[in-house]
Amino acid sequence: GQQLNQSPQSMFIQEGEDVSMNCTSSSIFNTWLWYKQDPGEGPVLLIALYKAGELTSNGRLTAQFGITRKDSFLNISASIPSDVGIYFCAGQLRMSQGAQKLVFGQGTRLTINP
Amino acid sequence: EAGVAQSPRYKIIEKRQSVAFWCNPISGHATLYWYQQILGQGPKLLIQFQNNGVVDDSQLPKDRFSAERLKGVDSTLKIQPAKLEDSAVYLCASSLRFGGKDTQYFGPGTRLTVL
Repeated sequence: GQQLNQSPQSMFIQEGEDVSMNCTSSSIFNTWLWYKQDPGEGPVLLIALYKAGELTSNGRLTAQFGITRKDSFLNISASIPSDVGIYFCAGQLRMSQGAQKLVFGQGTRLTINP
Repeated sequence: EAGVAQSPRYKIIEKRQSVAFWCNPISGHATLYWYQQILGQGPKLLIQFQNNGVVDDSQLPKDRFSAERLKGVDSTLKIQPAKLEDSAVYLCASSLRFGGKDTQYFGPGTRLTVL
């Protein structure tokens, strides 16, 4: 089945530093998404990417859909304490009957030292 | 707008017991998803409904897991009998349309511990 390799698994940074994480796969996806999950909550969508090569920003977050459609990265600039959490990449596939299926990476746990 | 509601939030059972989870999607959302999230991993899709019909249940362990969405709104996921490896967070998500540029909104999940 489809698998996403997300790295790094964890990051320990100082407040104000920039963060970069990425996902790679051997499979092609038609959409890449980045989610953030806080403890005890479900994932919340941060950025969605719909075209190969697309670069999209959402405030301090920037993400890109790889040209090969097999990878994506997420950058966070000038990190702040509320950025702490687990970040997941997800690739979306179009299945039979028109259904869309999300395949998630294993997550990057971000810890920020004030 | 109210989000996806799930209950219970926590459940502890012994192996071989049965358990059921409930999900109420965002009003008007036609597509509903159940995911299993094992500690330290990303969510894995178990089953997807479009209204009250099953679209994809290829990763649902059908010997012990079942799900239904009888009236195309609320949904229940059942495990019978539970195994130790079923300990996980069970997430429900819903989306407005079927396919396309359609955002999935997740509920807070039900944390299941099987002893």
